[in-house]
Amino acid sequence: DVKVTQSSRYLVKRTGEKVFLECVQDMDHENMFWYRQDPGLGLRLIYFSYDVKMKEKGDIPEGYSVSREKKERFSLILESASTNQTSMYLCASSEEYQPQHFGDGTRLSIL
Amino acid sequence: EDKVVQSPLSLVVHEGDTVTLNCSYEVTNFRSLLWYKQEKKAPTFLFMLTSSGIEKKSGRLSSILDKKELSSILNITATQTGDSAIYLCAVAPSGTYKYIFGTGTRLKVLA
Repeated sequence: DVKVTQSSRYLVKRTGEKVFLECVQDMDHENMFWYRQDPGLGLRLIYFSYDVKMKEKGDIPEGYSVSREKKERFSLILESASTNQTSMYLCASSEEYQPQHFGDGTRLSIL
Repeated sequence: EDKVVQSPLSLVVHEGDTVTLNCSYEVTNFRSLLWYKQEKKAPTFLFMLTSSGIEKKSGRLSSILDKKELSSILNITATQTGDSAIYLCAVAPSGTYKYIFGTGTRLKVLA
């Protein structure tokens, strides 16, 4: 069974801090994704990666960056956290054109 | 611009009722449509529909893809309180690993 693990379930940070969200998958999937989920807006794609060191912008990349140094790990970085980045962050992985498998999410609050 | 619209936004029913959730889409070169169920944590995969597989069924849940109408429905018969969740629809254009998500339908089933 595919397991996607996000490092924290809840996280509280301060405005201006650099924030790292980590995601690890155990199924050797090529593709990994970062979304944020907000009420009334659904899931919006921030970045995705289709291979190690490869990345592509999603719909809302501003204020975020990503890193994929190893196939199993995909990190989301908030360069300078702001209050409008308070949200639920979901990581997912998939094999080629197959359905995505999601982690449990990180609820991030920026104060 | 590609988009996915789900309706209704929310729904309250009683146990034993049958519900129909709707998903309509406008995407360039449709590849597949997915349904997910999200309770408190990670969205879990329900069905994947493609041009070669337009109807899926699992227990009390079933889904149909209408490529002419650019839409899909998710039916749940004999609803139970455990069906209470957000139901997400996602559509993939061909030539990309990305999925475009709708805002979801929040279903609440009362005992």
